[in-house]
Amino acid sequence: EAGVAQSPRYKIIEKRQSVAFWCNPISGHATLYWYQQILGQGPKLLIQFQNNGVVDDSQLPKDRFSAERLKGVDSTLKIQPAKLEDSAVYLCASSLGQSTGELFFGEGSRLTVL
Amino acid sequence: GENVEQHPSTLSVQEGDSAVIKCTYSDSASNYFPWYKQELGKGPQLIIDIRSNVGEKKDQRIAVTLNKTAKHFSLHITETQPEDSAVYFCAAQKKTSYDKVIFGPGTSLSVIP
Repeated sequence: EAGVAQSPRYKIIEKRQSVAFWCNPISGHATLYWYQQILGQGPKLLIQFQNNGVVDDSQLPKDRFSAERLKGVDSTLKIQPAKLEDSAVYLCASSLGQSTGELFFGEGSRLTVL
Repeated sequence: GENVEQHPSTLSVQEGDSAVIKCTYSDSASNYFPWYKQELGKGPQLIIDIRSNVGEKKDQRIAVTLNKTAKHFSLHITETQPEDSAVYFCAAQKKTSYDKVIFGPGTSLSVIP
């Protein structure tokens, strides 16, 4: 079974530029998550989708971050304009969407903002 | 909201010794407690989990204990091996998948051969 796919793996941009990350979850997984992991910290949830709909985006900085999940499958996370403090690994995860259960993570997209 | 604390932040053990990582949570409504292992350059991977109706769970060299009254849970790794070296995260979640999984800050475990 294919795992969660993410791209790009690495991205370096200047502050105030924009960047987009793509995620393809495991087939059949209804729930998709974007986490931000700053070096030395645990993952922090940015946004959670259940199929096409947003379940939780309370910690998403909406003035600069946006995310969408078209057709309930792939998802894109965009940052515009980027700030230095956005340097982090952006992890995408998916789950079956049942009550509490395993999250399957991709390898992450490492963003460096200069 | 839920807050998960984790100790120690770093842990070094000799190969063959045991390692223990402890976590506390703040929200008494949390009832699912997974542990994830993250190797360098990879995403976290679930290694064991426990639900609130169980006090202890074991899977080969890994065990987790839960004390709901005290709101703390622990990961125990016995007979540690070099491949156990990684960052370990505890987490807490309430009863439905709509509730976010809150991760602790992580413990970097080094197993010295």
